[in-house]
Amino acid sequence: DGGITQSPKYLFRKEGQNVTLSCEQNLNHDAMYWYRQDPGQGLRLIYYSQIVNDFQKGDIAEGYSVSREKKESFPLTVTSAQKNPTAFYLCASSSRAEQFFGPGTRLTVL
Amino acid sequence: AQSVAQPEDQVNVAEGNPLTVKCTYSVSGNPYLFWYVQYPNRGLQFLLKYITGDNLVKGSYGFEAEFNKSQTSFHLKKPSALVSDSALYFCAVRDTSNTDKLIFGTGTRLQVFP
Repeated sequence: DGGITQSPKYLFRKEGQNVTLSCEQNLNHDAMYWYRQDPGQGLRLIYYSQIVNDFQKGDIAEGYSVSREKKESFPLTVTSAQKNPTAFYLCASSSRAEQFFGPGTRLTVL
Repeated sequence: AQSVAQPEDQVNVAEGNPLTVKCTYSVSGNPYLFWYVQYPNRGLQFLLKYITGDNLVKGSYGFEAEFNKSQTSFHLKKPSALVSDSALYFCAVRDTSNTDKLIFGTGTRLQVFP
């Protein structure tokens, strides 16, 4: 899982709550990504950031928000607007197109 | 539209036999192609990549992949499968319209039986 850490490993959320997933990297990469993984659907891009203080929506950004205040950090907030947030969330950073992944956070809505 | 297809949801192979996990792609221009492996409840681990050069790419854990431009394929292979190779495998191609993004296939579960 390289130099990317995600916390927590498991997260439980009640309906209507916002939760924030942490992603930190020490690889000095400019670009960072958030993916959602559901069974049988592969990886879907939520948000990505190519540089500090800038980020773009991916394919499924609705109900999610991000910030990129530091090069090392790219936290993802799952808001109450996300109707089906139970999934495995993966953070990645990249250098020259090759992406390096964190260990993931499994979010479950109770 | 750019895309990656992994036509098999699951591949079953006996330990010691050769294995192939298929991947085809559709992009404009020259493709950058990747294979990743995912073990249960873990992140994706990089196996190998093709950017240019020799069509046969060698990667981690004895895996290799063959780039075939005419068939737009990048199949993952290993001469002799191990039970520990059982995992989920993803093929990906760099998005040529936004080179910071990768387009992933839906994944193929490899099951190696003893």
